[in-house]
Amino acid sequence: EAGVTQSPRYAVLQEGQAVSFWCDPISGHDTLYWYQQPRDQGPQLLVYFRDEAVIDNSQLPSDRFSAVRPKGTNSTLKIQSAKQGDTATYLCASSLIQGAEQFFGPGTRLTVL
Amino acid sequence: GQQVQQSPASLVLQEGENAELQCNFSSTATRLQWFYQRPGGSLVSLLSNPSGTKHTGRLTSTTVTKERRGSLHISSSQITDSGTYLCAMESGNAGAKLTFGGGTRLTVRP
Repeated sequence: EAGVTQSPRYAVLQEGQAVSFWCDPISGHDTLYWYQQPRDQGPQLLVYFRDEAVIDNSQLPSDRFSAVRPKGTNSTLKIQSAKQGDTATYLCASSLIQGAEQFFGPGTRLTVL
Repeated sequence: GQQVQQSPASLVLQEGENAELQCNFSSTATRLQWFYQRPGGSLVSLLSNPSGTKHTGRLTSTTVTKERRGSLHISSSQITDSGTYLCAMESGNAGAKLTFGGGTRLTVRP
């Protein structure tokens, strides 16, 4: 069984540029999570979905970040105008149902210059 | 907001020594989970328990929910145990939300 896959693995941007991250969860998992992990810190939940519905996006900086999961499978996280403070690894995770064990992808390492 | 504090921040061991990692959390948790992360690697779940003690291999997780603390004991450390150990508390709707600590960076030397 394939695990959670993410692309790209790395991204380097200038401030003000936009970037999108993609996540393909484990097949059949209805819950999908996006985390931000700054260097030498623990991950922080940004948003999570059950199927296509956003359950909690309270920690997502809504002015520049957006996340969608239109068909309840793959998901995209987008940063409209990146800032240096967005430099971090963005992790995607999925679970079979809400509250079950979360399986993490390899992450996308973003550097904003 | 909810907080999770881990200690020590970093730890250096000689191969074969034991390690004790601590985790304290600020509010009610349904469960405490321990994850392992290599530099640049994804997170791998090690142990998850709501309370009491749980073992797997050389790892022992103990959670005292009433006292809002937990620990991870690694016995007979090996060089391949080097990496970051993250503690996370589950809370929220049906336990879906994970709040992570800052991690303990473990280095095991030969």
